[in-house]
Amino acid sequence: NAGVMQNPRHLVRRRGQEARLRCSPMKGHSHVYWYRQLPEEGLKFMVYLQKENIIDESGMPKERFSAEFPKEGPSILRIQQVVRGDSAAYFCASSPPSRSTDTQYFGPGTRLTVL
Amino acid sequence: GESVGLHLPTLSVQEGDNSIINCAYSNSASDYFIWYKQESGKGPQFIIDIRSNMDKRQGQRVTVLLNKTVKHLSLQIAATQPGDSAVYFCAENRNSGAGSYQLTFGKGTKLSVIP
Repeated sequence: NAGVMQNPRHLVRRRGQEARLRCSPMKGHSHVYWYRQLPEEGLKFMVYLQKENIIDESGMPKERFSAEFPKEGPSILRIQQVVRGDSAAYFCASSPPSRSTDTQYFGPGTRLTVL
Repeated sequence: GESVGLHLPTLSVQEGDNSIINCAYSNSASDYFIWYKQESGKGPQFIIDIRSNMDKRQGQRVTVLLNKTVKHLSLQIAATQPGDSAVYFCAENRNSGAGSYQLTFGKGTKLSVIP
């Protein structure tokens, strides 16, 4: 039973480029969450999605960041025109399609470095 | 600001001793709490959870205690092993008001096990 999958594991971008991070939830899970972690910090919530719907994007910057979870395929977190401050580890979590308070299971993360 | 925080940023224990990691939360409306373990370069790994209608829950070598009166959560690890060395986060799962149950993380406690 595969866990949450994320790719790439490491991503290097130059300032101004675009970063696309992918997340495949655990089998049977339809809730996806994205979090960002700076060094020596806890994880910060960014966005919560269900299939084809953004439920809560209160933690996501208003500009340059977007997320989607299409009917088919992985969830994508997209960062346009990256800046050095975007360098962080980005984690995806998923939970099953029952109550929203079910446990969230995390993927291994994508470490984004902006040069 | 953060509603979940940790009393001690670092903890060193001798192998075989018991470890206690503490966490304070400020949102009395939170009804679900989780402890995660994060090893270097990896995503958070679920350890144990507890709902607000309980004050204690036990797992394999781990126990979580919840004191709602003082809004305090603790994780006890029995017979600590070198493999327990990691950063431990408590997380609070609460309704953000948008139908979303995002996790709010503390900064983490680094546990170092001395062989």
